[in-house]
Amino acid sequence: AQKVTQAQTEISVVEKEDVTLDCVYETRDTTYYLFWYKQPPSGELVFLIRRNSFDEQNEISGRYSWNFQKSTSSFNFTITASQVVDSAVYFCALSRYGGSQGNLIFGKGTKLSVKP
Amino acid sequence: DGGITQSPKYLFRKEGQNVTLSCEQNLNHDAMYWYRQDPGQGLRLIYYSQIVNDFQKGDIAEGYSVSREKKESFPLTVTSAQKNPTAFYLCASSIAWTDNEQFFGPGTRLTVL
Repeated sequence: AQKVTQAQTEISVVEKEDVTLDCVYETRDTTYYLFWYKQPPSGELVFLIRRNSFDEQNEISGRYSWNFQKSTSSFNFTITASQVVDSAVYFCALSRYGGSQGNLIFGKGTKLSVKP
Repeated sequence: DGGITQSPKYLFRKEGQNVTLSCEQNLNHDAMYWYRQDPGQGLRLIYYSQIVNDFQKGDIAEGYSVSREKKESFPLTVTSAQKNPTAFYLCASSIAWTDNEQFFGPGTRLTVL
């Protein structure tokens, strides 16, 4: 069965702290895609990253970085020097059917609160 | 600006009434999706459409219906058969059914009184 687990329900940090959001996935597909989305209080999901299962290189985009490890089936997301605007719910997602179709399986999300 | 619009942002209905949520996109995307989000839960797929005049049930289709008569529109009807319809509903689209990068609308929060 395919599954995405985000064990951290809520995280609270003080501005400028680094924070890592965990994502563990289960799949039997050899090819798959992993995603991170951000949901600010307004409700709309904002796409952050898509990673192919063949590409295990870490990705950095400004203060955001992602660590993909197939050996542990994890795709963790780190925010460096967090800011109040980072406060949101973050979802990790996995493609179904090897990524050949649009269907995604979402984790339950991690609510991040960054306090000034 | 290209994007996905959902209206209204907030919707209130009495129990037993059907209600239709609007989703429109001007991205020229073939595939569209409806998700339901409950507090503390991830997104669960209700229905999806690979192309105009086609749609398929997702994981939690019972009590819902959709249509896809136009490429840009994918309305969702929450029927009286849906036992717990109060939730946040999100519409999404992707360029093609084979492309899994989805773009989301702002959502509609439905409250059934």
